[in-house]
Amino acid sequence: AQKVTQAQTEISVVEKEDVTLDCVYETRDTTYYLFWYKQPPSGELVFLIRRNSFDEQNEISGRYSWNFQKSTSSFNFTITASQVVDSAVYFCALSEVGREGNYQLIWGAGTKLIIKP
Amino acid sequence: GAGVSQSPSNKVTEKGKDVELRCDPISGHTALYWYRQSLGQGLEFLIYFQGNSAPDKSGLPSDRFSAERTGGSVSTLTIQRTQQEDSAVYLCASSHDREWAGELFFGEGSRLTVL
Repeated sequence: AQKVTQAQTEISVVEKEDVTLDCVYETRDTTYYLFWYKQPPSGELVFLIRRNSFDEQNEISGRYSWNFQKSTSSFNFTITASQVVDSAVYFCALSEVGREGNYQLIWGAGTKLIIKP
Repeated sequence: GAGVSQSPSNKVTEKGKDVELRCDPISGHTALYWYRQSLGQGLEFLIYFQGNSAPDKSGLPSDRFSAERTGGSVSTLTIQRTQQEDSAVYLCASSHDREWAGELFFGEGSRLTVL
């Protein structure tokens, strides 16, 4: 069965520290996508990244970076030099093809990140 | 509009009443999803629309829940005879089409409180 595990329910760090959010997934599919979404206090989920299962290159976008390792079924997210505005709940998700051919997302439970000034 | 719009943003109702939640997706997005998020929890899939049809209703928790979409645009989620366990944030998301593999654009949600 498809499953996404975010073992860290809450992380609290002081501003400017680096922080890594863990994501471990389970799937039998050979083709799949992995995602990270950010949910700030306003509630609106914001798409951050999509990674194809065939592309294991790490990705960097400004202070954000993602490490995808198929060998350990992990897709971890690192924020470098964290800022207060990074405070949010972060969700990792795995896509699967649903019963009607649509893509469905399997969501992790989320990690609440608190950045203290 | 520029983003996904949901209304009402907050709804407080009494147990047993019916409620309607509205979602206006991004113009041109053919795929529309409804999710439910209980306090401190992840997202629970409810229903998926492609155009006006709902090929996947597998997430609707009971027959008190229904949804429709008209004109390939606005969608309404209806909860009949609300129960306290229906209290949650109901999130709507849209995407260009189902081939975008999960790159969804979300609204800010409708927070439902059933007293």
